[in-house]
Amino acid sequence: DAGITQSPRHKVTETGTPVTLRCHQTENHRYMYWYRQDPGHGLRLIHYSYGVKDTDKGEVSDGYSVSRSKTEDFLLTLESATSSQTSVYFCAISPQAEHSIGYTFGSGTRLTVV
Amino acid sequence: SQKIEQNSEALNIQEGKTATLTCNYTNYSPAYLQWYRQDPGRGPVFLLLIRENEKEKRKERLKVTFDTTLKQSLFHITASQPADSATYLCALVPLNSGYALNFGKGTSLLVTP
Repeated sequence: DAGITQSPRHKVTETGTPVTLRCHQTENHRYMYWYRQDPGHGLRLIHYSYGVKDTDKGEVSDGYSVSRSKTEDFLLTLESATSSQTSVYFCAISPQAEHSIGYTFGSGTRLTVV
Repeated sequence: SQKIEQNSEALNIQEGKTATLTCNYTNYSPAYLQWYRQDPGRGPVFLLLIRENEKEKRKERLKVTFDTTLKQSLFHITASQPADSATYLCALVPLNSGYALNFGKGTSLLVTP
């Protein structure tokens, strides 16, 4: 997806280990979002950022933390991975808060916690 | 509680027909409603946005309607093609949070030749 990349694309990790997913954008957009997507639940917001060092929680933030030290990077950390965090994680970016234009999504990270 | 409801059952239609997908919402007062397409293994792709004061929006073979009284949006694909087969998501901004889209679970569309 142009202007936004997620890494890694796939990861398998063990229960109890910390995991960090990276979202990198080259669009200089102010807003960045982390969602998870699970069968039967659709896309659910984990955390979002409205500027460097400015972040807030979404509806499913327990067990996750984020950091944004630069405009282009938004990191999602699972402090101690659990099997319930097995999911596909998507990062999205937007230039404005008014949602008058659509989000641009990354290709996703498929995380498996065993 | 806030809900965005899309048909959970897959929609199967024949090539050339018009596909109509529904998005109903409760306890939102959205300024915008957005539609996305998602292919297997890929991230959602933005298709169309409609504002609360717009009744209808068109883009090529796509048409979106927005009825804030019924709290419903309809998404139409005319002259459908097998390449239109995908999952389609609608999305809204919650009134009091204002910073992030909430998504419906999506409807899977299959267009057969």
